[in-house]
Amino acid sequence: DGGITQSPKYLFRKEGQNVTLSCEQNLNHDAMYWYRQDPGQGLRLIYYSQIVNDFQKGDIAEGYSVSREKKESFPLTVTSAQKNPTAFYLCASSIGPNTEAFFGQGTRLTVV
Amino acid sequence: AQKVTQAQTEISVVEKEDVTLDCVYETRDTTYYLFWYKQPPSGELVFLIRRNSFDEQNEISGRYSWNFQKSTSSFNFTITASQVVDSAVYFCALSSGPGGSYIPTFGRGTSLIVHP
Repeated sequence: DGGITQSPKYLFRKEGQNVTLSCEQNLNHDAMYWYRQDPGQGLRLIYYSQIVNDFQKGDIAEGYSVSREKKESFPLTVTSAQKNPTAFYLCASSIGPNTEAFFGQGTRLTVV
Repeated sequence: AQKVTQAQTEISVVEKEDVTLDCVYETRDTTYYLFWYKQPPSGELVFLIRRNSFDEQNEISGRYSWNFQKSTSSFNFTITASQVVDSAVYFCALSSGPGGSYIPTFGRGTSLIVHP
């Protein structure tokens, strides 16, 4: 089935560690996005990529990094510089930036 | 800059009641796109509808209907005869360009609770 796969579903991180969240899509979409969701905050854009080997910072990029080496993959690394990383992370893709997005099931990251 | 406001944080209704979720948007661009998504407890957002700024025709899909009014910058969503399965968080989103580069901005969401 076509879709977006995020892994893992739950992730625990010790303070000071970097962790990488996986996002893979087989929809042949050019655009991919990472959002962070906190209670009462809605979805806030971390990074987006409209084409392979290119990505742009969103509203809250500090403490995060991404890569887009393949069309299908857009991993997000939460670095130790991110002071408050506990949140629900959603990956999405779309044909283009003004079309509807398809979302993965999310990764819930908790700092322990 | 683009902005989406969903003033209703949480709405609670009893099954079979009609409910309207409000969405007010701001953009300086004349070309823009509006979306509604549903987020059930499982967490994955599901796309419901997309509307462009040149099409103000209202739309109905089963129990769902959308009212787009450019005069008030609103894109409201009505569920008729609500059901328990409608319980979810609903997000309104806007993408506009060139300032927004057509990257979608989401509202804070409205949590709808439908009681049996």
